[in-house]
Amino acid sequence: EDKVVQSPLSLVVHEGDTVTLNCSYEVTNFRSLLWYKQEKKAPTFLFMLTSSGIEKKSGRLSSILDKKELFSILNITATQTGDSAVYLCAVNTHNTDKLIFGTGTRLQVFP
Amino acid sequence: GAGVSQTPSNKVTEKGKYVELRCDPISGHTALYWYRQSLGQGPEFLIYFQGTGAADDSGLPNDRFFAVRPEGSVSTLKIQRTERGDSAVYLCASSGTPNTGELFFGEGSRLTVL
Repeated sequence: EDKVVQSPLSLVVHEGDTVTLNCSYEVTNFRSLLWYKQEKKAPTFLFMLTSSGIEKKSGRLSSILDKKELFSILNITATQTGDSAVYLCAVNTHNTDKLIFGTGTRLQVFP
Repeated sequence: GAGVSQTPSNKVTEKGKYVELRCDPISGHTALYWYRQSLGQGPEFLIYFQGTGAADDSGLPNDRFFAVRPEGSVSTLKIQRTERGDSAVYLCASSGTPNTGELFFGEGSRLTVL
C-alpha cells in the first residue's frame, strides 16, 4: 500500500531558528513529491519535486528530493511567526492523478 | 471566482440525515478533487473528476458517499445516512494542469454529525 510518512509530527521553535522537516515515501510508480502549507483550512502549494538532487528554493524555504532513498526534506531558515502552520508532504504517482498525503508536521514559531 | 469556493463552510447534522456539500472550482479548471481531513491527519483522497466524469473514485469509503459534476464545473458531494465517523473537514481542490499535483484548495466544509 502506498504511504507517506512525515517527521517530526510537531515542532516548536523560536523566531530565527532553522528547521528541517522530513518526508519519506513508499509508492509504486512515483511521479512527483509535493509540499503544501496549511495555516488554517486550505493547503497552499509550496514546491513540486520530480528529480533527485535538484534544490527548489523560494525565499527562506527550500526543498530537495532523494529518489534513491525515497525521501525529501523541507528547510526553513530564519523562521518567523508567520511560518507557523502544518506542512504537508504528498506524493503523486503515474497510476492515478490523486495525491497521497502524509499526516503533516505542525510547526509553531514563537517570538 | 478567483479561488475554489465551498459551501457550506460549516454543517451540523444529526446521525442518519442526508447532506450535500458543494464545490465551485476555479474557472477553466478541468480537474476537480474531493478530500476528507480528520483532526490531526493529512487529507485523504475521496474522488477525482476530469471534466464531467469520475476518473478515480477509489477513495469513497462506502456506497453512502457519492459525488457528481454534471456540467464539468460545480461538483456536489452527497452523503447519505450520515454517521458520527463522517465528521471531518471536506476539502475540494481543482487543477488546470493535469498530472502535476499542483492543486488549488478551497477552505473546506466542516461537517459535524451529532
